[in-house]
Amino acid sequence: GAVVSQHPSWVICKSGTSVKIECRSLDFQATTMFWYRQFPKQSLMLMATSNEGSKATYEQGVEKDKFLINHASLTLSTLTVTSAHPEDSSFYICSARGAGSNQPQHFGDGTRLSIL
Amino acid sequence: GQSLEQPSEVTAVEGAIVQINCTYQTSGFYGLSWYQQHDGGAPTFLSYNGLDGLEETGRFSSFLSRSDSYGYLLLQELQMKDSASYFCAVYGGATNKLIFGTGTLLAVQP
Repeated sequence: GAVVSQHPSWVICKSGTSVKIECRSLDFQATTMFWYRQFPKQSLMLMATSNEGSKATYEQGVEKDKFLINHASLTLSTLTVTSAHPEDSSFYICSARGAGSNQPQHFGDGTRLSIL
Repeated sequence: GQSLEQPSEVTAVEGAIVQINCTYQTSGFYGLSWYQQHDGGAPTFLSYNGLDGLEETGRFSSFLSRSDSYGYLLLQELQMKDSASYFCAVYGGATNKLIFGTGTLLAVQP
């Protein structure tokens, strides 16, 4: 089945640091990638949708200058949390989908980000 | 806007049957999915309903009624390992993105 690899799985860093999370589709071409954020005991909230070679579309309330998304190839998307602060601590999960809006979304294993 | 409502918690005993309901309100609808998420892990796909009716996959079944904007996940012969959070999710919106429900924490007791 389709595999999505997400790295790192866990990161701890100091406040003010920028953190980059990678999401790779290993055996299919991910035309569209999605980034979700999940706080403890809450649901997954969609942050943004990115199509390969295009600017990401951010959900309402998500700061695009804070969460930089790059989707430069059909197998890689990155999320950079810039100048991270403790309130950015969360579980970040990427998801990838092949060509066609009727294709299923495949999820990475998530990245647990802790900002001290 | 879009919203998917689920009960926050459900408790059941091993071997029992439990039903987790989901009511949704979305702009554009392409199907209802169910995901399981164990604590600290990523969501894993359980089932998908694109049309009305019941879909069965082993111990899990999922139902959809589009006219009622309602679906449910039915778990049979509960096992301790079924203790997890369960999310309904809808493909919808202009880009057919997956939006998750509020989530139900299932606790299976011996």
